[in-house]
Amino acid sequence: GQQLNQSPQSMFIQEGEDVSMNCTSSSIFNTWLWYKQEPGEGPVLLIALYKAGELTSNGRLTAQFGITRKDSFLNISASIPSDVGIYFCAGLLSGTYKYIFGTGTRLKVLA
Amino acid sequence: NAGVTQTPKFQVLKTGQSMTLQCAQDMNHEYMSWYRQDPGMGLRLIHYSVGAGITDQGEVPNGYNVSRSTTEDFPLRLLSAAPSQTSVYFCASSYFGQGLRATNEKLFFGSGTQLSVL
Repeated sequence: GQQLNQSPQSMFIQEGEDVSMNCTSSSIFNTWLWYKQEPGEGPVLLIALYKAGELTSNGRLTAQFGITRKDSFLNISASIPSDVGIYFCAGLLSGTYKYIFGTGTRLKVLA
Repeated sequence: NAGVTQTPKFQVLKTGQSMTLQCAQDMNHEYMSWYRQDPGMGLRLIHYSVGAGITDQGEVPNGYNVSRSTTEDFPLRLLSAAPSQTSVYFCASSYFGQGLRATNEKLFFGSGTQLSVL
């Protein structure tokens, strides 16, 4: 089936540092969504992107829809302890009604 | 505003038993879908629906049935549970504008059902 390559798989960072993660694929997507998931909960939507090249911010989070429509990036600036969790990308596969998810980036913030 | 509601929260089954996971949304979303989440594998699409009476298969449909008789409800049925179906199951819904042209679609998730098959 379709796959989204998400990296890094996990990262430890110091509080106050910036974080970057990305999702790439050989397929084309019409929408990119970025989620955060905490233990025992469902994914919570952080940012939605709808056009190639689009750059969107939500507080300290910034995400971009890649120009080729095959990738997307999420940046978190000045990380804080409550940023801990698993971050997922999801892409709406072009020509379908199928959202495909990345395998997640586990973020751990050291105070 | 309840959003997407899943029941039950936890379930233990024996191999061969059947059960239905319930999902309801109160946002009048056309699109509803089921995912399973396994460690290290992200979320994988099981089945989805773009409206009442319309369903289609996702990446991992085998062993699961769905139906969509109303806009609000999208139950997932396991006809004969197997240990390989031990997982966390999430239901999600979305508004879908202009067919496949994304304009404001956002996928909202329920809180999940943790299923163990012994």
